[in-house]
Formats: sequence, structure tokens, C-alpha cells
Amino acid sequence: AQRVTQPEKLLSVFKGAPVELKCNYSYSGSPELFWYVQYSRQRLQLLLRHISRESIKGFTADLNKGETSFHLKKPFAQEEDSAMYYCALSGKSQAGTALIFGKGTTLSVSS
Amino acid sequence: EAGVAQSPRYKIIEKRQSVAFWCNPISGHATLYWYQQILGQGPKLLIQFQNNGVVDDSQLPKDRFSAERLKGVDSTLKIQPAKLEDSAVYLCASRDPHRASYNEQFFGPGTRLTVL
Repeated sequence: AQRVTQPEKLLSVFKGAPVELKCNYSYSGSPELFWYVQYSRQRLQLLLRHISRESIKGFTADLNKGETSFHLKKPFAQEEDSAMYYCALSGKSQAGTALIFGKGTTLSVSS
Repeated sequence: EAGVAQSPRYKIIEKRQSVAFWCNPISGHATLYWYQQILGQGPKLLIQFQNNGVVDDSQLPKDRFSAERLKGVDSTLKIQPAKLEDSAVYLCASRDPHRASYNEQFFGPGTRLTVL
């Protein structure tokens, strides 16, 4: 079964602390993995994709095929990082581009 | 460029009534998706269009939900009759399939439906 699991519903950290949002997936084949973010009163938007291997707003995520994980990390959290984060995957065929989302993790960064 | 537009933003109806949602994707985006997001869950695909053809509607409850994209641009999603469990945010997203190497979906603001 194709599935994305985000085990933490809420993650609370202090400003400047490291952050790791966990994501595990189940998919037969080689999916594309994404992190989407939704800030308060804003629409859902792409944060980063595993293919790009880039750092966005200080966040990085490495795809570990052996552990089927795609954890999101940031060394020093900022208050503006507070948001809802969704891990998602999609297939690569035309018919398989719809996203399968996890339930999301709320990140709360306090000073 | 203008983003994905959706209307209405909020809708409250009673069970067994009908409701329709509208989506206007980003210009030139041939792929359009409707997702349902129930409170506390991630979005779940209802239907995917490629131009005006349906690519995937395997998770659409076809006894009560219908969707169309007649001219390959705007899309409407209808629920008839609504049930209490249809209360959710309905998200529309679009994607440019010609940029296959950049598989990003752009989301609208969503329509929050409450069924009483």
C-alpha cells in the first residue's frame, strides 16, 4: 500500500534549537518525495523536493531508500518556521503524479 | 503569475443538500487536481484531470460526487446529496505537465465546507 507516515502531530521547540520532522513512506517503485508547508492563513506550498537536493529557508531533507524515510531538518529553528508541515510522495508516470500526503506535523517555535 | 483561484471560500449547508465548488487553475496548467482535506488529516486526492480528460477518479465517491472540466481550464466539483462526513476543506491544485522535471503542484486557498 502507498502510504506516508508522519508520527508526530506536534513538535514544539525553542528558537535556535535543531528541528527534525520525521517522515516514512511505503511505495512500490521509486517515488518522488516532497515537503509542503502551510503557514497561518496561507495556502499550501512546496518547500522542497528530494530530487533538487537543495536547502530552502535553511531546511534540508535527505531521501534514505533503505529506511524509506525523508526527514526534514533544520539546525537552528526560527519563530517564522512555525507552520504545518506535510510530507508527500508521488509517482513519476503521468497518471501517478497526484500527491499522497501524511497527516502533517505542526511545528511550533517559541522564543 | 496569478495563482489558483477557488470559490466560494466558505460554504455551510444542511445534509442532503447540494453544493458546487469552482476552480480556476494557473494559466497553461493542463493538469488539475481536487483534494479533500478532513480536519486533522492530510489532503486526499479525489480526482485528477489532464486537460478535459479524467486521469484518476478511483477515490471519488461517484454515488454523490461529480466533477468536470469541460473546456480544459476551469473545473467544478459537485456533491449531491451532501452527508455530514463531507465536511472538509476542498483543495484545487494545478501543475504544468510540460515541466515534468519540476513536479510542483500549486494549490488554491481551498473551500471550507460545513455540513450540518
